[in-house]
Amino acid sequence: AQSVTQLGSHVSVSEGALVLLRCNYSSSVPPYLFWYVQYPNQGLQLLLKYTSAATLVKGINGFEAEFKKSETSFHLTKPSAHMSDAAEYFCAVSGGAQKLVFGQGTRLTINP
Amino acid sequence: DAGVIQSPRHEVTEMGQEVTLRCKPISGHDYLFWYRQTMMRGLELLIYFNNNVPIDDSGMPEDRFSAKMPNASFSTLKIQPSEPRDSAVYFCASSGTGDSNQPQHFGDGTRLSIL
Repeated sequence: AQSVTQLGSHVSVSEGALVLLRCNYSSSVPPYLFWYVQYPNQGLQLLLKYTSAATLVKGINGFEAEFKKSETSFHLTKPSAHMSDAAEYFCAVSGGAQKLVFGQGTRLTINP
Repeated sequence: DAGVIQSPRHEVTEMGQEVTLRCKPISGHDYLFWYRQTMMRGLELLIYFNNNVPIDDSGMPEDRFSAKMPNASFSTLKIQPSEPRDSAVYFCASSGTGDSNQPQHFGDGTRLSIL
């Protein structure tokens, strides 16, 4: 069965600093992986997805993620944090038949 | 393009009342998902449909919950009778056909409070 573990329920960085949100997955088949962002009082929005075409995936708002099979990881990064990046971020792995298995989420806080 | 549309955005009702949440998926999408989000349990998949047919309802908490999809453009999630522990944000999402790499598109949710 597929599963996702997000390391750190809360991450706090200063504005302009590197953002690193960690995600490890478990999958019995080659995985499809996703990062979603949720702003307050909104639904989840797709940031990026990995579908085996390239290990480094670029998404919206300057985010990117690197698929590392040997580490079963799909960490999300952004070189320079902006105040508008404050939100909750979810990593997800395809669970087959269009289902997604979500991690517990990481709340990102940006300090001025 | 219109996204997934949910109504109402907020619902406050008293324990024991029937609650109906509504969802209009993105046109052309043939998968529809209902999720529940709480602080304690995170994001939980309740049920999902393919071509209007329920495929997996193993996440539905109990018989008080029911979901229908009478046509490709409308789905409902009903709770009867409602209880305070049902208070949560309920999301609807839809996705298209194809490989499992199709992303799900979420509505803005219904914030439900049962008093």
